[in-house]
Amino acid sequence: GQNIDQPTEMTATEGAIVQINCTYQTSGFNGLFWYQQHAGEAPTFLSYNVLDGLEEKGRFSSFLSRSKGYSYLLLKELQMKDSASYLCAVRDRAGNNRKLIWGLGTSLAVNP
Amino acid sequence: ETGVTQTPRHLVMGMTNKKSLKCEQHLGHNAMYWYKQSAKKPLELMFVYNFKEQTENNSVPSRFSPECPNSSHLFLHLHTLQPEDSALYLCASSQEVGPRDYEQYFGPGTRLTVT
Repeated sequence: GQNIDQPTEMTATEGAIVQINCTYQTSGFNGLFWYQQHAGEAPTFLSYNVLDGLEEKGRFSSFLSRSKGYSYLLLKELQMKDSASYLCAVRDRAGNNRKLIWGLGTSLAVNP
Repeated sequence: ETGVTQTPRHLVMGMTNKKSLKCEQHLGHNAMYWYKQSAKKPLELMFVYNFKEQTENNSVPSRFSPECPNSSHLFLHLHTLQPEDSALYLCASSQEVGPRDYEQYFGPGTRLTVT
């Protein structure tokens, strides 16, 4: 079946670094993306990986290993405003009839 | 401020009511999406429209009826819903359905409660 796994909850300290892992098992692969969702708000797009390696965007970086079915989102210099849910999602194939498969999200709490 | 707006933000309806959710995007996009977000469940894609044409219907019950009169507006018509349909309904848009449609812009959602 199609499945995405990520931890339910994580806590970290302001100023620290946190890594949120995501593993996936899908029938195909055509990209993995991360979204951030603050409580009561809309998800916002963070990053997209389709090739292996690290994509860096400011304080946030996303890594992908297609052979391992694994990704992580790295958040550096944590700020209180980073407290949110982080959603991992995979597009299972290109072209028509592709499916977007979403994880349950990881709720991150940043403490002072 | 998000370029995607949704109304109403909150809706309580009985199982025999008929109501509609509205979504409008001000981003010049050509693809629009309806998602359902329930507690302890992954985000579920319901419908996709590309250039006003429906391209996906992910086995959604007929009590949910989408309408896309133009690329900027999307509606979800609701009738004879069940309590398990209570959820957050999110609208999203992207440039179009294609290689870059992973970058979707979401509205704030409508919190629906069916009594």
